[in-house]
Amino acid sequence: AQTVTQSQPEMSVQEAETVTLSCTYDTSENNYYLFWYKQPPSRQMILVIRQEAYKQQNATENRFSVNFQKAAKSFSLKISDSQLGDTAMYFCAFRNPGSGNTGKLIFGQGTTLQVKP
Amino acid sequence: DAGVTQSPTHLIKTRGQQVTLRCSPKSGHDTVSWYQQALGQGPQFIFQYYEEEERQRGNFPDRFSGHQFPNYSSELNVNALLLGDSALYLCASSYSGTGLSYEQYFGPGTRLTVT
Repeated sequence: AQTVTQSQPEMSVQEAETVTLSCTYDTSENNYYLFWYKQPPSRQMILVIRQEAYKQQNATENRFSVNFQKAAKSFSLKISDSQLGDTAMYFCAFRNPGSGNTGKLIFGQGTTLQVKP
Repeated sequence: DAGVTQSPTHLIKTRGQQVTLRCSPKSGHDTVSWYQQALGQGPQFIFQYYEEEERQRGNFPDRFSGHQFPNYSSELNVNALLLGDSALYLCASSYSGTGLSYEQYFGPGTRLTVT
């Protein structure tokens, strides 16, 4: 069974600085999808970034980028120029491609990020 | 374009009671998934509905059941509520077609408290 592990329960960063959130996963599949979701105190889960395992290039979305290390089964999220609005709980998630784009997501335990002014 | 909506926002029930939560998917989406998120934890997959049938199910007891209507909206029913059922229940919708994004869009959730 696939598992997702986030080993940093809480992190903090000063506004405008860079922070990296860690995620490791376990799977025997060769092709799969990885995601980072953000859940602010308002509770709405928002997709931040996604990575397809067969793509070697790391995904980037504005200030958010990932470091995908397939052999190490590592998928970290880097937030550059942190903003107060980035304060939220961040979840790493895995999806097996065999179930199509609607398959279940397997989430990690989450990392609470506090951006300080 | 309305996103995923859920109702009610909050709900308080007593042990042993039954509850129904509702979800309307994002426009153009035909698949609805339900997740349970305990406080401070990551969401856990309950089940998924497509074409009005349960397509996948997570490790949840039969007390958890669901339904999908012809307009793709969905309900989550929980019978014989336990204190441990207290959680945030999230609905996510997506589109089953190929060649489109792989994103599941989440609703704001329903906070269920069982006393």
